[in-house]
Amino acid sequence: QVQLVQSGAEVKKPGASVKVSCKASGYTFTGYYMHWVRQAPGQGLEWMGWINPNSGATDYAHRFQGRVTMTRDTSISTAYMELSRLRSDDTAVYYCASGGDYGDYLTYFDYWGQGTLVTVSS
Amino acid sequence: EIVLTQSPGTLSLSPGERATLSCRASQTINSNYLAWYQQTPGQAPRLLIYGASSRATGIPDRFSGSGSGTDFTLTISRLEPEDFAVYYCQQYGSSPWTFGQGTKVEIK
Repeated sequence: QVQLVQSGAEVKKPGASVKVSCKASGYTFTGYYMHWVRQAPGQGLEWMGWINPNSGATDYAHRFQGRVTMTRDTSISTAYMELSRLRSDDTAVYYCASGGDYGDYLTYFDYWGQGTLVTVSS
Repeated sequence: EIVLTQSPGTLSLSPGERATLSCRASQTINSNYLAWYQQTPGQAPRLLIYGASSRATGIPDRFSGSGSGTDFTLTISRLEPEDFAVYYCQQYGSSPWTFGQGTKVEIK
């Protein structure tokens, strides 16, 4: 069965960076775009961007451009999201999500990771 | 950027009642690429509906989606206890992907 397993919770100081991993299994990793979505405490869902695991191409939400980097390692079917220059309002649960049709970037999200809580505090 | 506005913010209903949730887009959503998700506390969102009206795998038929263009609806025909949750609509027809702010369905 399809699984997306994320790395564990992180506590970071303002100005630092965090890198969250998402290991995929149960499907062809390179066939489906991987998206990242975050959710601040008590708030709604916010799309951050996607990576094409096959080509490495990325598309980031405007508000994260310059601070976010999405990468992948196809040898271990793992996607990464790194967010730099962290602020207190980056405190959130970060999810990886994938799905839709093979090779299609206009996708809904069938599958979600369990979420990674990133806390930014001095 | 397409802004999605969900209404109402909170819906207070009893088990067995019908729930009707609305999602309105600021501009036409390409190919009706509109999805609905359910989220319970501490859990990741769960896909219910995609393409405005197609149920995801394993989703009970009491959940249905309708609409096109800029106006979409999620209907839960008879609320079960496990349906009390927060529901989000999402458009995936153009970048950036966007979500509505959510509708909470609570027990009356």
